[in-house]
Amino acid sequence: DTGVSQDPRHKITKRGQNVTFRCDPISEHNRLYWYRQTLGQGPEFLTYFQNEAQLEKSRLLSDRFSAERPKGSFSTLEIQRTEQGDSAMYLCASSLQGEQPQHFGDGTRLSIL
Amino acid sequence: QKEVEQNSGPLSVPEGAIASLNCTYSDRGSQSFFWYRQYSGKSPELIMSIYSNGDKEDGRFTAQLNKASQYVSLLIRDSQPSDSATYLCAGATGSAGNMLTFGGGTRLMVKP
Repeated sequence: DTGVSQDPRHKITKRGQNVTFRCDPISEHNRLYWYRQTLGQGPEFLTYFQNEAQLEKSRLLSDRFSAERPKGSFSTLEIQRTEQGDSAMYLCASSLQGEQPQHFGDGTRLSIL
Repeated sequence: QKEVEQNSGPLSVPEGAIASLNCTYSDRGSQSFFWYRQYSGKSPELIMSIYSNGDKEDGRFTAQLNKASQYVSLLIRDSQPSDSATYLCAGATGSAGNMLTFGGGTRLMVKP
């Protein structure tokens, strides 16, 4: 069990650029979740996958955000045309199934200049 | 109104004391609750899961759930300076508990 892995750990980019983050879940976990956390707040749900199917998306996930999990293993989260308000920690978590504990990766901290 | 509410703190306790952290929730459909510890700049780390009414103990930690009152708590006995962190309460919400709804967290400070 190597834990949830996220890459990169930090990303600094200019407003308007596109960014992509990667998450590798715990190997036997079929559920993968993305959350966003801003300073002083708890994480907010963005979307989740069961295997390769994206089953739920938050209203927070605007059209500029897209997530994929093409083979049911790793996932990517892309943000197009980044805005200042996208600056946050993006957290990935995985679990065996619903209602079970979710285990978080170290997160990707995004800073928009 | 947020679905999961926590007092933001800081809650300050002396070393060796019991720290009591509380959380209320509004979604009666939530069946599972989790406590996460988050150090500054780090990601949330799972401490306790609780699924039924009553108490659940794990080492120095005790989680309590009261579904009638929609109340979850975490007790930390023999608090240590290393327990100083933000504690996040989360409930499994959405269809089939597919996502976690977090409170804003309570910052705990344990003073030597």
